[in-house]
Amino acid sequence: EPEVTQTPSHQVTQMGQEVILRCVPISNHLYFYWYRQILGQKVEFLVSFYNNEISEKSEIFDDQFSVERPDGSNFTLKIRSTKLEDSAMYFCASSPAISRHNEQFFGPGTRLTVL
Amino acid sequence: QKEVEQDPGPLSVPEGAIVSLNCTYSNSAFQYFMWYRQYSRKGPELLMYTYSSGNKEDGRFTAQVDKSSKYISLFIRDSQPSDSATYLCAMSHSGGGADGLTFGKGTHLIIQP
Repeated sequence: EPEVTQTPSHQVTQMGQEVILRCVPISNHLYFYWYRQILGQKVEFLVSFYNNEISEKSEIFDDQFSVERPDGSNFTLKIRSTKLEDSAMYFCASSPAISRHNEQFFGPGTRLTVL
Repeated sequence: QKEVEQDPGPLSVPEGAIVSLNCTYSNSAFQYFMWYRQYSRKGPELLMYTYSSGNKEDGRFTAQVDKSSKYISLFIRDSQPSDSATYLCAMSHSGGGADGLTFGKGTHLIIQP
């Protein structure tokens, strides 16, 4: 069964450093998303991406965040200058055709630790 | 008032029992309702997906949506120890575009053998 994959599973970085989190969505899906989950808190929407551009973003997704689909398979989230409060699980998700765009399938997540 | 409220639990029931999990929400614009299961330190796994009010059944799982009360439920019949996990409700608005999901905090469910 196809699934969303994410790398790395755990990323440790120093405050102020840039990190890139990588995702490979399910191959025939059209919509891509990033979410985060701070330990003990709810899953929060960051951004959605369709047709090579941002479709929607939350207030969390400020100028330090960016997303990119550099090729036909990868989808990345870049955090330019990490802060301690960026420590969280980051989940990538994808969904299929427009009529089912809210049926989102999640990857296993990348645990980001900012020291 | 939070957009989506969900009792965090833990909810502990004996194996074989019927489990009822619930969420309330405040935003009447929500049209799509989902239930996800999340095991510890794993990604959410989509269980049920419903549009607007009504019931949907899939095996041992039944999802109910009551938009008039802004209340959704997930029932698990013949619960198994492997059902022990955190159950997240999620919802989104109608309309085009790639709406982000709004999640509840999740209910931690424990099925005792």
